[in-house]
Amino acid sequence: DAKTTQPPSMDCAEGRAANLPCNHSTISGNEYVYWYRQIHSPGPQYIIHGLKNNETNEMASLIITEDRKSSTLILPHATLRDTAVYYCIVRPAQNTGNQFYFGTGTSLTVIP
Amino acid sequence: DTEVTQTPKHLVMGMTNKKSLKCEQHMGHRAMYWYKQKAKKPPELMFVYSYEKLSINESVPSRFSPECPNSSLLNLHLHALQPEDSALYLCASSQDLRTSGRVGRSTDTQYFGPGTRLTVL
Repeated sequence: DAKTTQPPSMDCAEGRAANLPCNHSTISGNEYVYWYRQIHSPGPQYIIHGLKNNETNEMASLIITEDRKSSTLILPHATLRDTAVYYCIVRPAQNTGNQFYFGTGTSLTVIP
Repeated sequence: DTEVTQTPKHLVMGMTNKKSLKCEQHMGHRAMYWYKQKAKKPPELMFVYSYEKLSINESVPSRFSPECPNSSLLNLHLHALQPEDSALYLCASSQDLRTSGRVGRSTDTQYFGPGTRLTVL
């Protein structure tokens, strides 16, 4: 079962930073936070993941609170093509079966 | 190459038909997955294969029968489906954590195919 809570929808102005929150208050010490997004029908696209430290790649930044009970995905300069459903997923680090359980996600709309 | 391919893109079938969905990856991944996604809902895990062996079945009805003939291919055989089984079926693959040796690294990221849109009449 999903262990994350996200707001169902958010708007962001084009060119501004989009900050998408995720609560994972029951996260365990060995569990990672993953972010994926889905643009209509194509399959979910990997964005970023992290354990404790903040992470950054060419797509986004991931800020994880010190207690690890929540995180924020940051798209620094949102474009219209970033309009999608964003999923925050918590999964264990060990090989317990490789499961991913998706939460309900946040539908982000980037407004011109 | 981080591509997972799925065929067909669209499938319409009757409740008495037998059909198969196919998924292929050439990334050397040893874990493969089937998900079901209904409209405006998140993907739901159905099956996980690890090293060509079924490791997880999320209580999926027997009218869905997965098969992993080799490390690059994953099939989903469909028989006697119901209209409520109409959905987008997604395949994904990842490098099994046991082979990566480095848990939690990008090597265990799941890569998704574009899905098969299934309609059961």
